[in-house]
Amino acid sequence: EADIYQTPRYLVIGTGKKITLECSQTMGHDKMYWYQQDPGMELHLIHYSYGVNSTEKGDLSSESTVSRIRTEHFPLTLESARPSHTSQYLCASSETHVEPYGYTFGSGTRLTVV
Amino acid sequence: GQNIDQPTEMTATEGAIVQINCTYQTSGFNGLFWYQQHAGEAPTFLSYNVLDGLEEKGRFSSFLSRSKGYSYLLLKELQMKDSASYLCAVRDQALGYSTLTFGKGTMLLVSP
Repeated sequence: EADIYQTPRYLVIGTGKKITLECSQTMGHDKMYWYQQDPGMELHLIHYSYGVNSTEKGDLSSESTVSRIRTEHFPLTLESARPSHTSQYLCASSETHVEPYGYTFGSGTRLTVV
Repeated sequence: GQNIDQPTEMTATEGAIVQINCTYQTSGFNGLFWYQQHAGEAPTFLSYNVLDGLEEKGRFSSFLSRSKGYSYLLLKELQMKDSASYLCAVRDQALGYSTLTFGKGTMLLVSP
């Protein structure tokens, strides 16, 4: 049973639309992450958060933004979607005080911008 | 930066043993993870190594050599359900934060 939830699972949207990908976790994890993954390619970190009101950009340049107003919620927003944003977006969270601090991933949102 | 290399694809037969290698270069190594990802699904945690040596967990084992920047995942008694992508990921704390950098994954196909 998943403890980290992403919605929607699939999304097809037109160019120029604003979209928000939702991610929520019920494990009380302080750290949360957004990764982008294209088919057959590695996961690229686009945003992360170490706690409420903490957000940082990752290694991959992204036109998206994130917010962390509550511990359990870490939404990702695209102000104006473009076809280049077509990809799978994976949200993850991790333990702070218990080794090995591994990630728990959500099921992902597969985004197609037409 | 970091560089993580693993083979793109591997094939094996049911009941066999397969070893998936991973080499990495990082400045602040603080742990190596293996994840399994079935098509269209989220990655799931398999194993973690931070010290040199072998970690065994059922049919899965993972080995680490920090001096060589090398790890492998060993899968025994392969089953059809083991067909998936296997992701090697390294945690690097050189920059003062603890995030994972992933390799491209190794697609394993298990045939009858």
